[in-house]
Amino acid sequence: DGGITQSPKYLFRKEGQNVTLSCEQNLNHDAMYWYRQDPGQGLRLIYYSQIVNDFQKGDIAEGYSVSREKKESFPLTVTSAQKNPTAFYLCASSIQGSTGELFFGEGSRLTVL
Amino acid sequence: QKEVEQDPGPLSVPEGAIVSLNCTYSNSAFQYFMWYRQYSRKGPELLMYTYSSGNKEDGRFTAQVDKSSKYISLFIRDSQPSDSATYLCAMSASSARQLTFGSGTQLTVLP
Repeated sequence: DGGITQSPKYLFRKEGQNVTLSCEQNLNHDAMYWYRQDPGQGLRLIYYSQIVNDFQKGDIAEGYSVSREKKESFPLTVTSAQKNPTAFYLCASSIQGSTGELFFGEGSRLTVL
Repeated sequence: QKEVEQDPGPLSVPEGAIVSLNCTYSNSAFQYFMWYRQYSRKGPELLMYTYSSGNKEDGRFTAQVDKSSKYISLFIRDSQPSDSATYLCAMSASSARQLTFGSGTQLTVLP
């Protein structure tokens, strides 16, 4: 089955710790995205990548970092610099040139204690 | 003012009802309009995709876009308990990287 796998589904961390969220896709999509979802707010774009070894900041990139060493993988690191990291994180992918048709993973819920 | 406004609900309807979900927007450059459905604790899935103004029907779902009023709607006919989810509108001017989401409307269909 083709799709996007995010792990872990739930993650608890202490303040000041970096955490890395995994995102793997087997849809052969070139583009991948990370969004953050908070209650009462729309999805906000953190980072996106349209090709291997290249990525761009989205609207709320501060305190986050990513890498794109393989087409299938786009991990997100939530650093200690992120002031309010508790949120639901969604990874998505699309074909190159998509106008909005995204395929999402099931999300990772990060809680910082 | 947000670029995309969506009533968060929650909205509760009896099974079989017609549901109307709406979004307004301010950016006249938007020309691609989507509705995503998100079940609790899951990722969104694309439900409807529309380009420019007009209607699109898919089974019990109809998407309408009125660009002159900057208003989009999703209608669900003969609603089912399995339709209970959060519905997110989304729109872009030209690319997925520019996608702007509404905050979502939480719908519950009561059996």
